[in-house]
Amino acid sequence: EIVLTQSPGTLSLSPGERATLSCRASQSVSSSYLAWYQQKPGQAPRLLIYGASSRATGIPDRFSGSGSGTDFTLTISRLEPEDFAVYYCQQYGSSTGTFGQGTKVEIK
Amino acid sequence: QVQLQESGPGLVKPSETLSLTCTVSGGSISSYYWSWIRQPPGKGLEWIGYIYYSGSTNYNPSLKSRVTISVDTSKNQFSLKLSSVTAADTAVYYCARDDLYCTNGVCYRAFDIWGQGTMVTVSS
Repeated sequence: EIVLTQSPGTLSLSPGERATLSCRASQSVSSSYLAWYQQKPGQAPRLLIYGASSRATGIPDRFSGSGSGTDFTLTISRLEPEDFAVYYCQQYGSSTGTFGQGTKVEIK
Repeated sequence: QVQLQESGPGLVKPSETLSLTCTVSGGSISSYYWSWIRQPPGKGLEWIGYIYYSGSTNYNPSLKSRVTISVDTSKNQFSLKLSSVTAADTAVYYCARDDLYCTNGVCYRAFDIWGQGTMVTVSS
């Protein structure tokens, strides 16, 4: 089973700052099957990025994804107040899905 | 637009079977994969398993012995059964569309539409 490890666990930043979130896989992951989700308290997760770097429908261009192999990154170029949330990476390998443990982006 | 809605008991006794249904509205259940995902209180997300509209399934190895996912295309619904539950199965359970699509020789897969989630507590 592929394990996804996200870092840092918590990121404390101010609105307008840049956020860089990391997702590292225990073995190589197909980029086309790597996704990122945003979850706010009391809400279901929302798809942000699929295929490691493609934005889902309606996602602002301040969100971007990159990476390949075992190292992937979600970048939020300028944090808006509504971006403070928990972010999860997720992959599908051998038709089995796994999530990272999440990174919380909190207001500093 | 496509919407998903989970339904089922919010309280299940230990050792019994948890049963949930996800109703798909605004679109057809056909031609897609559909997944169940859960989230224990204050913790992260765990994929439980998926079903294709044709009925083929795949489950999380850690839950495989206790999980059954089925589909009823006539009702545009799919369901989850988790047997022999314990307190560790207490969680918010989400259903999600598990979108697999291929273009220009590359296939992509992600959970693009989610239900609002339903809290299930395992307690006597």
